[in-house]
Amino acid sequence: GNSVTQMEGPVTLSEEAFLTINCTYTATGYPSLFWYVQYPGEGLQLLLKATKADDKGSNKGFEATYRKETTSFHLEKGSVQVSDSAVYFCALTPYGSSNTGKLIFGQGTTLQVKP
Amino acid sequence: DADVTQTPRNRITKTGKRIMLECSQTKGHDRMYWYRQDPGLGLRLIYYSFDVKDINKGEISDGYSVSRQAQAKFSLSLESAIPNQTALYFCATSQSIAPRANTGELFFGEGSRLTVL
Repeated sequence: GNSVTQMEGPVTLSEEAFLTINCTYTATGYPSLFWYVQYPGEGLQLLLKATKADDKGSNKGFEATYRKETTSFHLEKGSVQVSDSAVYFCALTPYGSSNTGKLIFGQGTTLQVKP
Repeated sequence: DADVTQTPRNRITKTGKRIMLECSQTKGHDRMYWYRQDPGLGLRLIYYSFDVKDINKGEISDGYSVSRQAQAKFSLSLESAIPNQTALYFCATSQSIAPRANTGELFFGEGSRLTVL
C-alpha cells in the first residue's frame, strides 16, 4: 500500500542552523509529493510540492527534491528562524489516484527553533 | 475572514452525545474533506465529497457521518460520541482541475478540537 514515513521529532535547533527533515515513501508508480506546515493553533498549509522525479519544490527558503531512486523527499533549509517553529507533514497523492484527491500524510515532525 | 471556517473551534462533550462539526468555505472549491489529527498519527481521512451529490468514505469513516448541504458547506456528525473520537478535526477544500482530477493542494480550516469524556 501507500505510506509516508517521517523522522521522529521533536527537532530542536538554534537559529540559523541547517535543517533536514527526512521523509520516505512507499507507493506504486509516480506519486505527487508535498510538504505541509502547521503553525501553532492553525490549520495546515502547503509549503511546497513536486510532481515528478528529480523535481525540486521550493518556497520560503525551504527545498525538497523528489528522489525516485531512494523514494525520498527530504525537507531542507539552510538557515532556520524562530518563526519556522511548527509541525511539518510530508504527504503524497498516489499515482493514478487523482480521482480521489486523497492525500496520505506522514505522522508529522515538530520543529522548535531557539533564539 | 478565513476562507475555510470551522465551528465550533473547541467542544467538550460526554460519551453517547450527538455532535456536529460544521465547515463552510468561500473559496468556491468543489471538493471538501474531513480529516482527524491524532498525535503521532498524522492526519487520516474520514470522508470526502466531490460535489453535493458525491460523498465518499475515507479510511476511518466508522462512527461518523457527513452531509454536504451546499457546495460551500460540509458537516461532520458523530451520532454517539465515544472517548477515542477525542481528536483535532480539520475540514479542507480543493479544486478539481478536470473531472475527478485534483492538483493535490488542500486548503485547511483552523481545526475543531473535540474532547469526549
